[in-house]
Amino acid sequence: GAGVSQSPSNKVTEKGKDVELRCDPISGHTALYWYRQSLGQGLEFLIYFQGNSAPDKSGLPSDRFSAERTGGSVSTLTIQRTQQEDSAVYLCASSRGLETDTQYFGPGTRLTVL
Amino acid sequence: SQQGEEDPQALSIQEGENATMNCSYKTSINNLQWYRQNSGRGLVHLILIRSNEREKHSGRLRVTLDTSKKSSSLLITASRAADTASYFCATRTPNAGNMLTFGGGTRLMVKP
Repeated sequence: GAGVSQSPSNKVTEKGKDVELRCDPISGHTALYWYRQSLGQGLEFLIYFQGNSAPDKSGLPSDRFSAERTGGSVSTLTIQRTQQEDSAVYLCASSRGLETDTQYFGPGTRLTVL
Repeated sequence: SQQGEEDPQALSIQEGENATMNCSYKTSINNLQWYRQNSGRGLVHLILIRSNEREKHSGRLRVTLDTSKKSSSLLITASRAADTASYFCATRTPNAGNMLTFGGGTRLMVKP
């Protein structure tokens, strides 16, 4: 079946603008994760959704970052007033939600903030 | 913050040789997973080893886990040029949600 998809694949924006990144998880997966991969920080966890539970936002680096998941499926990561240090590849993953389950990653969105 | 440290950071070998990558982590874990990443984009899951397992095989991959030393190794046997990629270990920590904490990765180059 279809894997995790993300859009756009690349996004170039100007400092101070808001951006929205989209993730479509694998159908039936109840857990959805956002990670960020940047040169200086490696791969970092950002936020995690599990079913109807309150999301785990412990990895969000600042209040400029937020995410929502509508209808338990598609998720949008929003970065407000982007800064150059936000430039990174943003990766989304989904899983069935069980603790031993594999997380399946999307191809990522490469964000460049000029 | 990163849980794991991987070494080496970069590894260059000839096709047919074996490649060994190591990962160390800091806290107790439920499981440890290895992922591969090509060209800085999507991660592909390779293998998962649980905290009560010591060794696991999948095709040309062999993973070991030593919880007393908080370390794991990934061995790729009979490497191929197509194995060229970055390899990451990732851990899942008890009572810390389902998120993964990744190591810094090993960049493997297999020369034909």
